[in-house]
Amino acid sequence: EAGVVQSPRYKIIEKKQPVAFWCNPISGHNTLYWYLQNLGQGPELLIRYENEEAVDDSQLPKDRFSAERLKGVDSTLKIQPAELGDSAVYLCASSPPQAPLWEQYFGPGTRLTVT
Amino acid sequence: EDKVVQSPLSLVVHEGDTVTLNCSYEVTNFRSLLWYKQEKKAPTFLFMLTSSGIEKKSGRLSSILDKKELFSILNITATQTGDSAIYLCAVPNRDDKIIFGKGTRLHILP
Repeated sequence: EAGVVQSPRYKIIEKKQPVAFWCNPISGHNTLYWYLQNLGQGPELLIRYENEEAVDDSQLPKDRFSAERLKGVDSTLKIQPAELGDSAVYLCASSPPQAPLWEQYFGPGTRLTVT
Repeated sequence: EDKVVQSPLSLVVHEGDTVTLNCSYEVTNFRSLLWYKQEKKAPTFLFMLTSSGIEKKSGRLSSILDKKELFSILNITATQTGDSAIYLCAVPNRDDKIIFGKGTRLHILP
């Protein structure tokens, strides 16, 4: 069974440019999470989807960050414009229906460097 | 404010040594504590602890929870170079959001 797929794995952009990350969850998983992990920190939840509905986006900085999961499968996370402080690893995770909270399968992440 | 504090933040030991990683927490409506291993980038689940004093064990890894003192430890015996990773402790809060600690970066020298 394929795991959570994320692309790109690495991205380097200049500040003020837009950037987008893509996540394909494990087949059949209806819950999808986007996390931000700064260097030396644990992951922090940005947004959680149940199917196509964003059920928790309280930690998403909505002035520059946006996310979508139009068909309840793949998801994209966008930053526009990027700032130096956005340099971090962006992790996507997914869970099957009715799964306990701890059962999250993480993707390999996208390492963003903003110069 | 919900928080998870791990110590030490980094640890370097020789292969064969035993290590103990610490995690203390403050969270309202505590239900469980989670341990993850993060190699390269993707965290992988190790243990979920819900009851005090009951050890969870998987091979050379074991973990125990103390709900009175609000902490947990993760032990790794006879360490191997493949154990080198970041070990994350996490606790779900009342909003079902997982609060992660900063992690302990463990490096095993051959």
